[in-house]
Amino acid sequence: DAGVIQSPRHEVTEMGQEVTLRCKPISGHNSLFWYRQTMMRGLELLIYFNNNVPIDDSGMPEDRFSAKMPNASFSTLKIQPSEPRDSAVYFCASRPPAAYEMKLFFGSGTQLSVL
Amino acid sequence: GQQLNQSPQSMFIQEGEDVSMNCTSSSIFNTWLWYKQDPGEGPVLLIALYKAGELTSNGRLTAQFGITRKDSFLNISASIPSDVGIYFCAGHPIQGAQKLVFGQGTRLTINP
Repeated sequence: DAGVIQSPRHEVTEMGQEVTLRCKPISGHNSLFWYRQTMMRGLELLIYFNNNVPIDDSGMPEDRFSAKMPNASFSTLKIQPSEPRDSAVYFCASRPPAAYEMKLFFGSGTQLSVL
Repeated sequence: GQQLNQSPQSMFIQEGEDVSMNCTSSSIFNTWLWYKQDPGEGPVLLIALYKAGELTSNGRLTAQFGITRKDSFLNISASIPSDVGIYFCAGHPIQGAQKLVFGQGTRLTINP
């Protein structure tokens, strides 16, 4: 089975540019999570969706960040305008529908560098 | 917010040695998960625990859900070079909606 698919794997951009990260969750999973990983702060939850609906975006750093999930098989995380402090690895994860199961399955991540 | 205290932060061991790491919390969790992250990859789920006292194995890995529900342990027996990586614990607090709390990770280095 295909796992969580993220693209691009690496993104290098200049400060002020718009960045769009993409994620395809595992088929049949109904929850999707966006995480950011840095050395200083570890894994931080940015936002999560249930059945394509955003449930909690309290981890989104500021208005420059936005996330959408137009359908069950696709989500985007957009940063506009990007800043050097946004440099990090961004992970998408999905979870199956069983209520008691908190198992998250992660993609390989997008390494973002903002110059 | 809730935090997990994962220790040790790093370990340097010889191949063949056993490894132990743990996570503790100030609040009660109803699920504990252990992940491993290799360089350039996302975390991969190793073991999931759902009941206090539960002991679960996955090959050379064994994890336990603490009786107090505030801690969990991961042991790796007879370490091999491919065990190198960062191990994360993650917990689901009783009042945590659908969000996991992650530890800061234990970086394991193995000398051949």
